[in-house]
Amino acid sequence: ETGVTQTPRHLVMGMTNKKSLKCEQHLGHNAMYWYKQSAKKPLELMFVYSLEERVENNSVPSRFSPECPNSSHLFLHLHTLQPEDSALYLCASSQGRVRSGNTIYFGEGSWLTVV
Amino acid sequence: DQQVKQNSPSLSVQEGRISILNCDYTNSMFDYFLWYKKYPAEGPTFLISISSIKDKNEDGRFTVFLNKSAKHLSLHIVPSQPGDSAVYFCAASAGNTDKLIFGTGTRLQVFP
Repeated sequence: ETGVTQTPRHLVMGMTNKKSLKCEQHLGHNAMYWYKQSAKKPLELMFVYSLEERVENNSVPSRFSPECPNSSHLFLHLHTLQPEDSALYLCASSQGRVRSGNTIYFGEGSWLTVV
Repeated sequence: DQQVKQNSPSLSVQEGRISILNCDYTNSMFDYFLWYKKYPAEGPTFLISISSIKDKNEDGRFTVFLNKSAKHLSLHIVPSQPGDSAVYFCAASAGNTDKLIFGTGTRLQVFP
């Protein structure tokens, strides 16, 4: 139990589907993140939210749409994805922002397969 | 261009001996470094960190060393235990961004 919970853990979707990944943190943190890990590549930052405001979008295509309704919840809405978007999507949170030297804590990830 | 490099994809160590995992970086603006451990089918777990104002940080069996002039850090695990078998990721950040840059990981196997 890491304090960061992601659902679903596994998702298979077609290229025309719309689905969402959900993340909830129980650590009282005020910053949340989406990271992506593709096969044989390093973890890549997608989005950063601090105090529910998006503060970084790391050149992510618009078919990925994040939403942060409050400091405990983060969503990643998926629409018309491509097979190359198949990856492990990791949510993370921190108390304070990384630029201030704060540590981020990850959830267990959502394995996404686009067919 | 990879700013954080873990050049050894795997490492095998006998139980009780020291494990040394290495990480090199290229961006001199990095001022905070972290190590994460990842088991299969789980997310990365924070292990230990170090600020650029220090050259060593120790937590139990885990010690991280930072050599700023060489842009190199290492994680020492002593004594190594079979439960330490996992993939270890090095990560770095700069004070002007919230982006953590990760290496590709080193798979550590500790055998009895």
